[in-house]
Amino acid sequence: QLQLQESGPGLVKPSETLSLTCSVSGGSISSGDYYWAWIRQPPGEGLEWIGCVHYTGRAYYITSLKSRVTISVDTSSNQFSLRLTSVTAADTAVFYCARHLVSGDAFDVWGEGTKVTVSS
Amino acid sequence: QSALTQPASVSGSPGQSITISCTGTSSDVGGYNLVSWYQQHPDKAPKLMICEDNKRPSGVSSRFSGSKSGNTASLTISGLQAEDEADYYCCSYARGSIVIFGGGTKVTVL
Repeated sequence: QLQLQESGPGLVKPSETLSLTCSVSGGSISSGDYYWAWIRQPPGEGLEWIGCVHYTGRAYYITSLKSRVTISVDTSSNQFSLRLTSVTAADTAVFYCARHLVSGDAFDVWGEGTKVTVSS
Repeated sequence: QSALTQPASVSGSPGQSITISCTGTSSDVGGYNLVSWYQQHPDKAPKLMICEDNKRPSGVSSRFSGSKSGNTASLTISGLQAEDEADYYCCSYARGSIVIFGGGTKVTVL
């Protein structure tokens, strides 16, 4: 059974770079049937799609974060990563990684989420 | 791209049916058969309940159903149960290869 697990620092200082990794177990990240996505949820708010990456490296991002975000994939480690630069308090959120079906455009497997706070 | 519009809250008594709406535009909800719905209990990760407008993934109760008319998608929960109390989010593929979520609806079982 496929499982996803987010990892990374829980506290990041303003203006610095937030970096998270999602480890995929129970299946290969190198399947053309899926994208691998990052979704965030600020405290008390709704879900926001950040972007996704294919195992080939092709990535798509939400327009509002395009200048600050990079999602990359490491097929040798069966992991994918999120990098968000120049963070502010508004980037404080629970970050989820998820598997995104190419056919159907749905997120069918989710990690448990990791809370990241931006504060000095 | 703006978030899809959902009612903030919907409530119903056990055994009743409720419907949650999700309104977008012809560039997202109305333009593709790619609306999905997620259930989220407090402090838990979301769970996929409906995909491709009206398809139910394996393991999801048949009490959950999806539909769409024009730019508005809907999630219906029939035979409401206490365990259905949660937040529900719609989601759609949108022009430009992006994904948009709705603002979320809190379902309360009275």
